[in-house]
Amino acid sequence: QVQLVQSGAEVKKPGSSVKVSCKASGSTFRNYAINWMRQAPGQGLEWMGGIIPLFHTSDYAQTFQGRVTITADESTSTAYMELSSLRSEDTAVYFCTTGGPPLAMRAYFDYWGQGTLVTVSS
Amino acid sequence: EIVLTQSPGTLSLSPGERATLSCRASQSVSSNFLAWYQQKPGQAPRLLIYDASSRATGIPDRFGGSGSGTDFTLTISRLEPEDFAVYYCQQYGSSPLTFGGGTKVEIK
Repeated sequence: QVQLVQSGAEVKKPGSSVKVSCKASGSTFRNYAINWMRQAPGQGLEWMGGIIPLFHTSDYAQTFQGRVTITADESTSTAYMELSSLRSEDTAVYFCTTGGPPLAMRAYFDYWGQGTLVTVSS
Repeated sequence: EIVLTQSPGTLSLSPGERATLSCRASQSVSSNFLAWYQQKPGQAPRLLIYDASSRATGIPDRFGGSGSGTDFTLTISRLEPEDFAVYYCQQYGSSPLTFGGGTKVEIK
């Protein structure tokens, strides 16, 4: 059984950056894409981007190009999502996910982290 | 970018009734790579259906997915009390991955 455990809630100032971690267990971490989604309060789901740890290849949503960086550390089976130049509209719950066929960047998501609330406020 | 439009926005039904949720894509979804998720308040989404019609592990057979191309449907044959939630469709046939806006199934 795959388990994804994310880092805790963050409160950030506008203009700063946040880095959220996602530690995976119970799977072959390097062979499955890790994707990040976010959900603003009372809103739907938004895909931010993903990475395949084996190849360190990544894909990002155009909306976040230049502001988001997704990385993976195979030695600790941990993925990271860093979002910079934060603004109030970035206040949301951020989820890491994995699943689907091996080595598929675009996939469905069997497994989800518990979510990390990032609040951007002055 | 493929835009997914879900309808209706809210579905008011009683336990035991049949629920039919629609997801329409702005262009054809490659290989019918469409998934459905259920989300309850304060929880992460749960995968129900992938590849348009395949049930995920552990999902009861009252949940069924159908459709192809641009029109997809999630059917819940008989609503159980735990099925009242928000449902999202997601396409993964092309980048960027996109989600529909959701359908809330509420108790009538």
